[in-house]
Amino acid sequence: QSTLKESGPTLVKPTQTLTLTCTCSGFSLSTSGVGVGWIRQPPGKALEWLALIYWDDDKRYSSSLKSRLTITKDTSKNQVVLTMTNMDPVDTATYYCARGTDYGDYNLWGQGTLVTVSS
Amino acid sequence: QSVLTQPPSASGTPGQRVTIFCSGTSSNIGSNYVYWYQQLPGTAPKLLIYRNNQRPSGVPNRFSGSKSGTSASLAISGLRSEDEADYYCATWDDSPSGYVFGTGTKVTVL
Repeated sequence: QSTLKESGPTLVKPTQTLTLTCTCSGFSLSTSGVGVGWIRQPPGKALEWLALIYWDDDKRYSSSLKSRLTITKDTSKNQVVLTMTNMDPVDTATYYCARGTDYGDYNLWGQGTLVTVSS
Repeated sequence: QSVLTQPPSASGTPGQRVTIFCSGTSSNIGSNYVYWYQQLPGTAPKLLIYRNNQRPSGVPNRFSGSKSGTSASLAISGLRSEDEADYYCATWDDSPSGYVFGTGTKVTVL
């Protein structure tokens, strides 16, 4: 059974850097065609795609947030890490990681982690 | 700032057919596959439709997707109470490059 689980701080202060980890099990990040992406959802609002990293280390970022985002993976730990700099209260959201496929979809999602940005 | 537009809400009685539309542009829906996700209250999204009209294993055939030009639609036939959820369309956008979600549609079963 494949799963993804997000971990990281629940509260960050404005201007700080957020670091989130997605731990994957049941599938390998080095398998051809596999990708892991990050998607967030502010309370009561729509989903917003942030970033994606592929098995071959190819990376894609949201054009509106690209300057603040970095996505990396640790194949030995089967983990994907997302960092977002200069956090602001508008970045308060549930952050999800999800497995991307060759078909371009996200077919498996983590449970999500709520991050609140407040001083 | 979603680039894909969906109606905020849709509703129907049990057994009815409900259709949700998703409007995009030539650089996103017009050029790429469309995906649909279902988000039940308080849970993570779940893939419902991939590559315009394909259902993952386990998704009932009551759910069907289609695409025409720069628009797509999700139809739910034989509406059931457990279908009450938020539904999002999604696709890749070529300009600027990235994955984009729709504004979301809340389906209510009356």
